[in-house]
Amino acid sequence: GNSVTQMEGPVTLSEEAFLTINCTYTATGYPSLFWYVQYPGEGLQLLLKATKADDKGSNKGFEATYRKETTSFHLEKGSVQVSDSAVYFCALSESGNTGKLIFGQGTTLQVKP
Amino acid sequence: SQTIHQWPATLVQPVGSPLSLECTVEGTSNPNLYWYRQAAGRGLQLLFYSVGIGQISSEVPQNLSASRPQDRQFILSSKKLLLSDSGFYLCAWMSGRGAYNEQFFGPGTRLTVL
Repeated sequence: GNSVTQMEGPVTLSEEAFLTINCTYTATGYPSLFWYVQYPGEGLQLLLKATKADDKGSNKGFEATYRKETTSFHLEKGSVQVSDSAVYFCALSESGNTGKLIFGQGTTLQVKP
Repeated sequence: SQTIHQWPATLVQPVGSPLSLECTVEGTSNPNLYWYRQAAGRGLQLLFYSVGIGQISSEVPQNLSASRPQDRQFILSSKKLLLSDSGFYLCAWMSGRGAYNEQFFGPGTRLTVL
């Protein structure tokens, strides 16, 4: 079945460091790919998405490129801030009309001043 | 604008007791609705989804059930809670049909079964 694998956390970085959170997927068909973020004490919100191969999603300085050849959707940011501390979830949406999301296990990011 | 409500925010229940978690959406009609669970140290797992009133699909065999009595109301229930039902329960909605639409999540309910 379809699945998403994220790098293990927690990830601890100093402010202004470069961030990469790896995400790979297994899927049949052509899924859409998402990154959701969960700030402390809050629900999930969409960070960015890509709906087809080679698309790049971007938001708030974060970027991820849909790489079909490597089945990856790695999240990157050039310079993290303390306010980026959160849990990041990679997810895929299966083909079809149900919109069901398959999530990775989440990666906790802690940014220190 | 659309909003999604979940209640209660936190809940502590003894093993064997019943459960009812409610989710309502405002500002949209005929949404897809979803229940997810986030167990400690694990990712989110889809439990149920619904594409219309009375239409429920279960994703994993479990001790829980779901119902959609109204267009924008989604209820998660159990007759007898197990310890393994503890976790963070999230309701979500999506407008339209398709694999590329964004899901919007509620604030969640943290359930502890003792």
